[in-house]
Amino acid sequence: GAVVSQHPSRVICKSGTSVKIECRSLDFQATTMFWYRQFPKQSLMLMATSNEGSKATYEQGVEKDKFLINHASLTLSTLTVTSAHPEDSSFYICSARPLHLRETQYFGPGTRLLVL
Amino acid sequence: DQQVKQNSPSLSVQEGRISILNCDYTNSMFDYFLWYKKYPAEGPTFLISISSIKDKNEDGRFTVFLNKSAKHLSLHIVPSQPGDSAVYFCAAIQGAQKLVFGQGTRLTINP
Repeated sequence: GAVVSQHPSRVICKSGTSVKIECRSLDFQATTMFWYRQFPKQSLMLMATSNEGSKATYEQGVEKDKFLINHASLTLSTLTVTSAHPEDSSFYICSARPLHLRETQYFGPGTRLLVL
Repeated sequence: DQQVKQNSPSLSVQEGRISILNCDYTNSMFDYFLWYKKYPAEGPTFLISISSIKDKNEDGRFTVFLNKSAKHLSLHIVPSQPGDSAVYFCAAIQGAQKLVFGQGTRLTINP
């Protein structure tokens, strides 16, 4: 099946620093990638939709200046958590939608962020 | 507004028996539904999907049923295996837009 990778898988940082998370589709091209956040024992919450070559679309309540998204190519999207605070600690998951399968999204393994 | 609901937070089934996970939705414009399986600290894994023009889709041990009039879908796993223990999310999509997830159901398969 289609493979999506995320890097890093786990990151610990100090409050006030910025953290970049990469999402790559390894064996397919994706014009659209999605960024989710999951809190403990809760469902996945869509943060933003990332389209290659254009600005990301953010969901209501998600600060675009806080969570910077760049979709530079058909296989790479990045999420940068700027000036991270402890409340940003969470599990961040990306997904990618193949060009030829408009309904299906393949998910990355997730990135655990801990802000001290 | 929870458009996709999984009302059972957990389900326990004996190995070898059938597991039935349920999902309800409110938006009649959803035209595609998916089931994902998720282990702790991992991303969701796609299991099976169904278009709104169908009422059943089968793939190995997994079958998804869709009842459009009731706005209800279910995932059947038979026979259930210990490796099936995970959290299962149903998701709906409208016109190739974003996925809307349910809250998830934790399935535990007992030996």
